[in-house]
Amino acid sequence: DTAVSQTPKYLVTQMGNDKSIKCEQNLGHDTMYWYKQDSKKFLKIMFSYNNKELIINETVPNRFSPKSPDKAHLNLHINSLELGDSAVYFCASSQGILPGYTFGSGTRLTVV
Amino acid sequence: QKEVEQNSGPLSVPEGAIASLNCTYSDRGSQSFFWYRQYSGKSPELIMSIYSNGDKEDGRFTAQLNKASQYVSLLIRDSQPSDSATYLCAVRSGNTGKLIFGQGTTLQVKP
Repeated sequence: DTAVSQTPKYLVTQMGNDKSIKCEQNLGHDTMYWYKQDSKKFLKIMFSYNNKELIINETVPNRFSPKSPDKAHLNLHINSLELGDSAVYFCASSQGILPGYTFGSGTRLTVV
Repeated sequence: QKEVEQNSGPLSVPEGAIASLNCTYSDRGSQSFFWYRQYSGKSPELIMSIYSNGDKEDGRFTAQLNKASQYVSLLIRDSQPSDSATYLCAVRSGNTGKLIFGQGTTLQVKP
């Protein structure tokens, strides 16, 4: 049973398209995150939700919009995709803010 | 200055040796520190967390924290080829759960 699952695993799309990535966790955690890992392996936070409330909203283009329908799900919608959006997007979850995260398996997004 | 800095490596050690991975951070108020291991093409996996000055041991892994020097390290004893991966240092920022990651150190353990 996968603890944090993301779909799709791979996403290849053309510039200008709109796409969504979905994340679900079955750990009972109350906090979920989206991170972006670039080609140099640098992981940077984008958003975080605690019990469906947005608590972290880093400086990312407003083409990126997160949505958390309930505390077990966190989705990421990206409008008007650009070449620079190509990266691996990781979802993660934690119970509260003290412990480390559990990461999902990642979504490799390639914009052509 | 980057908030969390690591030497990107690669750090190459022979099998059975001790691998020493280092990390410095800029926010003196940071309280929580983590080491993640990431194999190529996989997601980061939490291997150690440390909150107090000193050493914390878990099997072959020892995390060391020195808040005065703003320095955290990870020692891997009896290194195995299966330890070959990128090791990411992460520091919790503020009280929102946000983790700031270093760029990672690539470790190669040669048989």
